[in-house]
Amino acid sequence: EVQLVESGGVVVQPGGSLRLSCAASGFTFDDYAMHWVRQAPGKGLEWVSLISWDGGSTYYADSVKGRFTISRDNSKNSLYLQMNSLRAEDTALYYCAKGRDYIRRLDAFDIWGQGTMVTVSS
Amino acid sequence: DIQLTQSPSFLSASVGDRVTITCRASQGISSYLAWYQQKPGKAPKLLIYAASTLQSGVPSRFSGSGSGTEFTLTISSLQPEDFATYYCQQLNSYLFTFGPGTKVDIK
Repeated sequence: EVQLVESGGVVVQPGGSLRLSCAASGFTFDDYAMHWVRQAPGKGLEWVSLISWDGGSTYYADSVKGRFTISRDNSKNSLYLQMNSLRAEDTALYYCAKGRDYIRRLDAFDIWGQGTMVTVSS
Repeated sequence: DIQLTQSPSFLSASVGDRVTITCRASQGISSYLAWYQQKPGKAPKLLIYAASTLQSGVPSRFSGSGSGTEFTLTISSLQPEDFATYYCQQLNSYLFTFGPGTKVDIK
Protein backbone atom coordinates (compact mmCIF):
# COMPACT_ATOMS: atom_id res chain seq x y z
CA GLU A 1 0.00 0.00 0.00
CA VAL A 2 1.32 3.43 -0.93
CA GLN A 3 1.58 5.45 2.26
CA LEU A 4 3.03 8.63 3.72
CA VAL A 5 3.21 9.09 7.49
CA GLU A 6 4.20 12.42 8.99
CA SER A 7 5.54 12.94 12.49
CA GLY A 8 7.22 15.57 14.64
CA GLY A 9 4.44 18.08 15.15
CA VAL A 10 4.30 19.64 18.61
CA VAL A 11 3.62 22.87 20.46
CA VAL A 12 6.63 25.19 20.15
CA GLN A 13 7.32 28.75 21.29
CA PRO A 14 7.68 31.62 18.82
CA GLY A 15 11.25 31.78 17.57
CA GLY A 16 11.74 28.08 18.17
CA SER A 17 12.74 25.28 15.82
CA LEU A 18 11.25 21.96 14.83
CA ARG A 19 11.93 19.16 12.37
CA LEU A 20 9.09 17.30 10.71
CA SER A 21 9.54 13.87 9.16
CA CYS A 22 7.58 11.94 6.55
CA ALA A 23 8.08 8.19 6.12
CA ALA A 24 7.20 6.81 2.70
CA SER A 25 6.32 3.25 1.79
CA GLY A 26 4.77 1.28 -1.04
CA PHE A 27 6.50 3.08 -3.91
CA THR A 28 10.01 3.81 -5.21
CA PHE A 29 10.63 6.90 -3.13
CA ASP A 30 13.66 8.16 -5.04
CA ASP A 31 11.71 8.29 -8.32
CA TYR A 32 9.45 11.13 -7.22
CA ALA A 33 9.51 14.77 -6.22
CA MET A 34 8.05 15.42 -2.78
CA HIS A 35 6.24 18.37 -1.21
CA TRP A 36 5.16 19.88 2.08
CA VAL A 37 1.73 21.56 2.17
CA ARG A 38 0.14 23.17 5.22
CA GLN A 39 -3.35 24.08 6.32
CA ALA A 40 -4.02 26.51 9.15
CA PRO A 41 -7.04 25.65 11.31
CA GLY A 42 -10.23 26.33 9.37
CA LYS A 43 -8.32 27.68 6.38
CA GLY A 44 -7.32 26.57 2.89
CA LEU A 45 -4.28 24.77 1.55
CA GLU A 46 -0.89 26.49 1.26
CA TRP A 47 2.02 24.91 -0.59
CA VAL A 48 5.22 25.17 1.46
CA SER A 49 8.12 23.46 -0.29
CA LEU A 50 9.24 21.04 -3.02
CA ILE A 51 12.31 18.84 -3.33
CA SER A 52 13.29 17.04 -6.53
CA TRP A 53 13.65 13.26 -6.68
CA ASP A 54 17.41 13.44 -6.09
CA GLY A 55 17.38 16.31 -3.61
CA GLY A 56 19.29 18.48 -6.06
CA SER A 57 16.59 21.13 -6.44
CA THR A 58 14.48 22.77 -3.76
CA TYR A 59 11.77 25.43 -3.89
CA TYR A 60 9.96 27.39 -1.19
CA ALA A 61 6.93 29.58 -0.68
CA ASP A 62 7.88 33.19 -0.01
CA SER A 63 6.28 32.91 3.45
CA VAL A 64 8.88 30.36 4.61
CA LYS A 65 11.91 31.12 2.46
CA GLY A 66 15.04 31.54 4.56
CA ARG A 67 13.42 29.91 7.62
CA PHE A 68 12.46 26.41 6.44
CA THR A 69 14.67 23.79 4.79
CA ILE A 70 13.38 20.73 2.95
CA SER A 71 15.55 17.64 2.62
CA ARG A 72 15.28 13.94 1.92
CA ASP A 73 17.16 10.73 2.63
CA ASN A 74 16.41 8.31 -0.17
CA SER A 75 18.22 5.50 1.63
CA LYS A 76 15.65 5.82 4.43
CA ASN A 77 12.61 6.64 2.24
CA SER A 78 12.18 9.78 4.29
CA LEU A 79 11.35 13.44 3.75
CA TYR A 80 12.08 16.21 6.24
CA LEU A 81 11.21 19.82 6.93
CA GLN A 82 13.48 21.81 9.22
CA MET A 83 11.54 24.78 10.56
CA ASN A 84 13.41 27.64 12.22
CA SER A 85 12.37 31.04 13.56
CA LEU A 86 8.81 29.83 13.93
CA ARG A 87 5.98 32.35 14.05
CA ALA A 88 2.38 32.15 15.21
CA GLU A 89 1.28 32.21 11.57
CA ASP A 90 3.15 28.93 10.97
CA THR A 91 0.55 27.16 13.12
CA ALA A 92 -0.99 24.56 10.83
CA LEU A 93 -1.46 20.93 9.94
CA TYR A 94 1.54 19.98 7.80
CA TYR A 95 1.07 17.39 5.06
CA CYS A 96 3.71 15.68 3.00
CA ALA A 97 2.64 14.83 -0.54
CA LYS A 98 4.07 12.89 -3.47
CA GLY A 99 4.48 14.23 -6.98
CA ARG A 100 2.27 12.30 -9.38
CA ASP A 101 4.62 11.42 -12.20
CA TYR A 102 8.10 9.89 -12.40
CA ILE A 103 10.74 12.57 -11.72
CA ARG A 104 8.53 15.48 -12.83
CA ARG A 105 8.59 18.51 -10.54
CA LEU A 106 5.69 20.49 -12.02
CA ASP A 107 2.93 17.96 -11.45
CA ALA A 108 -0.06 17.30 -9.23
CA PHE A 109 0.16 15.68 -5.79
CA ASP A 110 -1.35 12.20 -5.90
CA ILE A 111 -0.61 10.79 -2.46
CA TRP A 112 -0.94 12.69 0.83
CA GLY A 113 -0.16 11.79 4.40
CA GLN A 114 -2.58 12.34 7.26
CA GLY A 115 -0.71 15.42 8.49
CA THR A 116 1.11 16.45 11.66
CA MET A 117 0.02 19.47 13.70
CA VAL A 118 2.43 22.28 14.50
CA THR A 119 1.30 24.88 17.02
CA VAL A 120 3.42 27.97 17.60
CA SER A 121 2.38 29.58 20.85
CA SER A 122 3.88 30.94 24.04
CA ASP B 1 2.80 35.45 -8.91
CA ILE B 2 -0.19 33.54 -10.23
CA GLN B 3 -3.37 33.98 -8.18
CA LEU B 4 -6.37 31.67 -8.36
CA THR B 5 -9.97 32.54 -7.57
CA GLN B 6 -12.82 30.08 -7.24
CA SER B 7 -16.55 30.63 -7.60
CA PRO B 8 -18.76 30.12 -5.86
CA SER B 9 -17.12 30.00 -2.42
CA PHE B 10 -20.03 27.98 -1.14
CA LEU B 11 -22.83 26.12 -2.81
CA SER B 12 -25.77 24.21 -1.50
CA ALA B 13 -26.98 21.33 -3.68
CA SER B 14 -29.06 18.19 -3.59
CA VAL B 15 -28.16 14.59 -4.39
CA GLY B 16 -28.46 14.11 -8.13
CA ASP B 17 -27.75 17.75 -8.99
CA ARG B 18 -25.23 18.78 -11.62
CA VAL B 19 -22.62 20.98 -9.97
CA THR B 20 -20.08 23.25 -11.64
CA ILE B 21 -17.20 25.03 -9.90
CA THR B 22 -15.09 27.64 -11.68
CA CYS B 23 -11.42 28.43 -11.13
CA ARG B 24 -9.81 31.48 -12.70
CA ALA B 25 -6.09 32.19 -12.93
CA SER B 26 -4.62 35.70 -12.91
CA GLN B 27 -2.52 34.80 -15.93
CA GLY B 28 -2.50 32.01 -18.48
CA ILE B 29 -1.39 28.61 -17.19
CA SER B 30 -2.14 26.49 -20.26
CA SER B 31 -3.58 23.23 -18.88
CA TYR B 32 -1.40 23.11 -15.78
CA LEU B 33 -4.26 22.82 -13.30
CA ALA B 34 -5.36 20.18 -10.80
CA TRP B 35 -8.48 19.71 -8.70
CA TYR B 36 -8.64 18.20 -5.21
CA GLN B 37 -11.44 17.12 -2.89
CA GLN B 38 -11.08 17.46 0.87
CA LYS B 39 -13.48 16.09 3.45
CA PRO B 40 -13.45 17.30 7.08
CA GLY B 41 -10.53 15.86 9.05
CA LYS B 42 -9.07 14.18 5.97
CA ALA B 43 -6.18 14.86 3.62
CA PRO B 44 -6.93 16.25 0.16
CA LYS B 45 -7.54 13.76 -2.64
CA LEU B 46 -6.44 14.34 -6.23
CA LEU B 47 -9.39 14.25 -8.64
CA ILE B 48 -8.12 15.75 -11.89
CA TYR B 49 -4.77 16.84 -13.28
CA ALA B 50 -3.74 18.52 -16.52
CA ALA B 51 -7.09 20.33 -16.34
CA SER B 52 -9.13 17.43 -17.68
CA THR B 53 -7.43 14.09 -16.95
CA LEU B 54 -9.24 11.98 -14.38
CA GLN B 55 -6.98 10.50 -11.72
CA SER B 56 -7.09 6.73 -11.52
CA GLY B 57 -9.92 5.47 -9.32
CA VAL B 58 -11.92 8.71 -9.38
CA PRO B 59 -15.56 8.23 -10.46
CA SER B 60 -16.43 9.31 -13.98
CA ARG B 61 -19.11 11.72 -12.72
CA PHE B 62 -16.21 14.10 -12.09
CA SER B 63 -14.85 15.99 -15.09
CA GLY B 64 -12.63 18.96 -15.71
CA SER B 65 -12.27 21.37 -18.58
CA GLY B 66 -10.63 24.62 -19.58
CA SER B 67 -7.26 26.08 -20.44
CA GLY B 68 -5.49 29.39 -20.18
CA THR B 69 -7.19 31.31 -17.39
CA GLU B 70 -10.61 29.70 -16.92
CA PHE B 71 -11.30 26.17 -15.72
CA THR B 72 -14.29 24.21 -14.48
CA LEU B 73 -14.86 21.15 -12.35
CA THR B 74 -18.19 19.46 -12.98
CA ILE B 75 -19.90 16.76 -10.97
CA SER B 76 -22.57 15.34 -13.26
CA SER B 77 -24.79 13.83 -10.56
CA LEU B 78 -23.91 14.75 -6.99
CA GLN B 79 -23.65 11.80 -4.62
CA PRO B 80 -23.79 11.86 -0.79
CA GLU B 81 -20.04 11.19 -0.58
CA ASP B 82 -19.28 14.26 -2.74
CA PHE B 83 -20.16 16.79 -0.07
CA ALA B 84 -16.76 18.30 0.61
CA THR B 85 -14.51 21.26 -0.15
CA TYR B 86 -12.90 21.44 -3.59
CA TYR B 87 -9.64 23.20 -4.39
CA CYS B 88 -7.99 24.03 -7.68
CA GLN B 89 -4.19 24.29 -7.92
CA GLN B 90 -1.93 25.74 -10.57
CA LEU B 91 1.07 23.67 -11.68
CA ASN B 92 2.56 26.21 -14.05
CA SER B 93 5.11 27.67 -11.65
CA TYR B 94 7.12 26.59 -8.65
CA LEU B 95 4.67 28.22 -6.28
CA PHE B 96 1.90 25.61 -6.76
CA THR B 97 -0.80 28.08 -5.70
CA PHE B 98 -4.11 26.69 -4.46
CA GLY B 99 -7.43 28.38 -4.92
CA PRO B 100 -9.39 29.42 -1.80
CA GLY B 101 -11.77 26.47 -2.04
CA THR B 102 -15.44 25.83 -2.74
CA LYS B 103 -17.50 24.14 -0.06
CA VAL B 104 -20.29 21.94 -1.39
CA ASP B 105 -22.98 21.42 1.22
CA ILE B 106 -26.23 19.52 1.41
CA LYS B 107 -29.36 21.48 0.51
